[in-house]
Amino acid sequence: EVQLVESGGGLVQPGGSLRLSCAASGFTFSSNWMSWVRQAPGKGLEWVANIKQDGSEKYYVDSVKGRFTISRDNAKNSLYLQMSSLRAEDTAVYYCARNIGYCSGGRCYALFDYWGQGTLATVSS
Amino acid sequence: QSVLTQAPSVSGAPGQRVTISCTGSSSNIGAGYDVHWYQHLPGTAPKLLIYGNNNRPSGVPDRFSGSKSGTSASLAITGLQAEDEADYYCQSHDRSLSASVFGGGTKLTVL
Repeated sequence: EVQLVESGGGLVQPGGSLRLSCAASGFTFSSNWMSWVRQAPGKGLEWVANIKQDGSEKYYVDSVKGRFTISRDNAKNSLYLQMSSLRAEDTAVYYCARNIGYCSGGRCYALFDYWGQGTLATVSS
Repeated sequence: QSVLTQAPSVSGAPGQRVTISCTGSSSNIGAGYDVHWYQHLPGTAPKLLIYGNNNRPSGVPDRFSGSKSGTSASLAITGLQAEDEADYYCQSHDRSLSASVFGGGTKLTVL
């Protein structure tokens, strides 16, 4: 059974840092792209970042570029999100999601087939 | 403001049929990118419901179906059940943003 368990959320002051972790099990972690998706209070889902199987490619939503870093440790079946220079608008539940790279019409893009239950990051003074 | 537009809420009585729409633009759904749908009960992990416009993963009841036309997509739920009460999100890809994009979500209430 695929399981994704996030941790590391908490309360941090504006300008501070937080590191989120996601422990994966039930599948060959090193075979999948992985992603972070967030949901701000009362808002919809927002894709945050993707990372390729070997960590060689990383992509971010514009609003977090230069502040967030996605990484992974395939030996530990773990995904990470290092968040720095945090702002109030980064307050959200952050979900770890497995990305199976859906392909259609000659193009491949994200499809999130399994998600964790999320960890809440609150940025407030 | 989400890139894909969904109505904030929809409701229906048990046994009825409801549809949830998702409207995009020429840089995402209208550009030929397929649409996926997720079901989310607050406090739980979102669940993939429909992928590639109209395909159901194993285990998803055939009461759920999807369609796509032009710059829009729809999720239909027939034979509404109390357990269907949840938030539903559409997702696609936007070529201008080079990013995955979601709708703002539609809250389904089963009356």
